[in-house]
Amino acid sequence: SQTIHQWPATLVQPVGSPLSLECTVEGTSNPNLYWYRQAAGRGLQLLFYSVGIGQISSEVPQNLSASRPQDRQFILSSKKLLLSDSGFYLCAWSGNRADTQYFGPGTRLTVL
Amino acid sequence: QKEVEQNSGPLSVPEGAIASLNCTYSDQGSQSFFWYRQYSGKSPELIMFIYSNGDKEDGRFTAQLNKASQYVSLLIRDSQPSDSATYLCAVMNSGYSTLTFGKGTMLLVSP
Repeated sequence: SQTIHQWPATLVQPVGSPLSLECTVEGTSNPNLYWYRQAAGRGLQLLFYSVGIGQISSEVPQNLSASRPQDRQFILSSKKLLLSDSGFYLCAWSGNRADTQYFGPGTRLTVL
Repeated sequence: QKEVEQNSGPLSVPEGAIASLNCTYSDQGSQSFFWYRQYSGKSPELIMFIYSNGDKEDGRFTAQLNKASQYVSLLIRDSQPSDSATYLCAVMNSGYSTLTFGKGTMLLVSP
């Protein structure tokens, strides 16, 4: 069966510090991968998605970036965090038919 | 801009009642629709998906889809306190491999 991992589970970072969140998927190959952010009181916002290694699509302009160095690894990064980057970051995967998405446990980021 | 609208709630129902959650969407080309449940502080988990007009039943859950009205709903029969959560409606964007989510409806089931 497929499993999706995210780490860390929680993170507190100062404004201006860098960020690296990692997501890995087990039990499937060539998945579509997604990064979402859920801010307090707001809906799920799609940040990036990837249909293959090195293929990243960005949904919204921001100070975040994403990379997919391996088939089942998806990384979310920032060089300098802003207060507005606080939120619940969720990674999701789907099969390469791009259908049902399954979410990882999430990373709760607080920027102070 | 594709939109998915849900009543934010909270929707309060007594234990054993039927809870009805509704969702409308703007993308007329959408073909796939999903319901997720999200407990406070946790990630969303898939409850059901529906592709065709009509009803689809899975245990206590029934999803209903009306593409002409651009409307999808989720019925929860025999509601339990453990069903108390936020329910997210998601719509597959036509021509893309992405979902647009509604902001969710909070359901509270009282014992």
